[in-house]
Amino acid sequence: KQEVTQIPAALSVPEGENLVLNCSFTDSAIYNLQWFRQDPGKGLTSLLLIQSSQREQTSGRLNASLDKSSGRSTLYIAASQPGDSATYLCAVKRKDRGSTLGRLYFGRGTQLTVWP
Amino acid sequence: NAGVTQTPKFRILKIGQSMTLQCTQDMNHNYMYWYRQDPGMGLKLIYYSVGAGITDKGEVPNGYNVSRSTTEDFPLRLELAAPSQTSVYFCASSYKEAPYSNQPQHFGDGTRLSIL
Repeated sequence: KQEVTQIPAALSVPEGENLVLNCSFTDSAIYNLQWFRQDPGKGLTSLLLIQSSQREQTSGRLNASLDKSSGRSTLYIAASQPGDSATYLCAVKRKDRGSTLGRLYFGRGTQLTVWP
Repeated sequence: NAGVTQTPKFRILKIGQSMTLQCTQDMNHNYMYWYRQDPGMGLKLIYYSVGAGITDKGEVPNGYNVSRSTTEDFPLRLELAAPSQTSVYFCASSYKEAPYSNQPQHFGDGTRLSIL
């Protein structure tokens, strides 16, 4: 069974810091890995998606890396801003035996607070 | 752009009551999903549908039922509400979902349900 772990569970930093969120997964047979942002009272917004054959993806101040063999991904946020405050969720997609669906397995998230 | 719309946003039920959580999407997506998110936890898949008339169980289907009579709508029904079903429920949709597909899932804002 796929298990996804995110460390740290919570992070509080001053504005301007560069920071790293970690995600690990137990089964390396994945199709892709996604990072989501979740604001309070809102749904999930997809930030970055890394295919299993890729090593990293970048979008603006965000950079996500994937090391499939070791079961790890990191989300790097450069020059953090108060508007980055949210919960960040990592999810891996794999196909369960007997299913036609590529299922997403989610971590518990990292709650990020960036203070001015 | 409406995207994925969930109603109601909040609901309190008594033990044993029943209710239907509504989900509709206007993106003509074939695939739709229901997740639950318990406090401090990642999302877990309850049911999913690959098209009108086709539904299948996810990881935690017990206590729930779904139907998919149209492409747009995917309601989730609780027949006999139990305290263990207190959670935030998210509906999501995607255009197509082969296991290797990198189509993102679009999420609604969630329904916060408390069973007392």
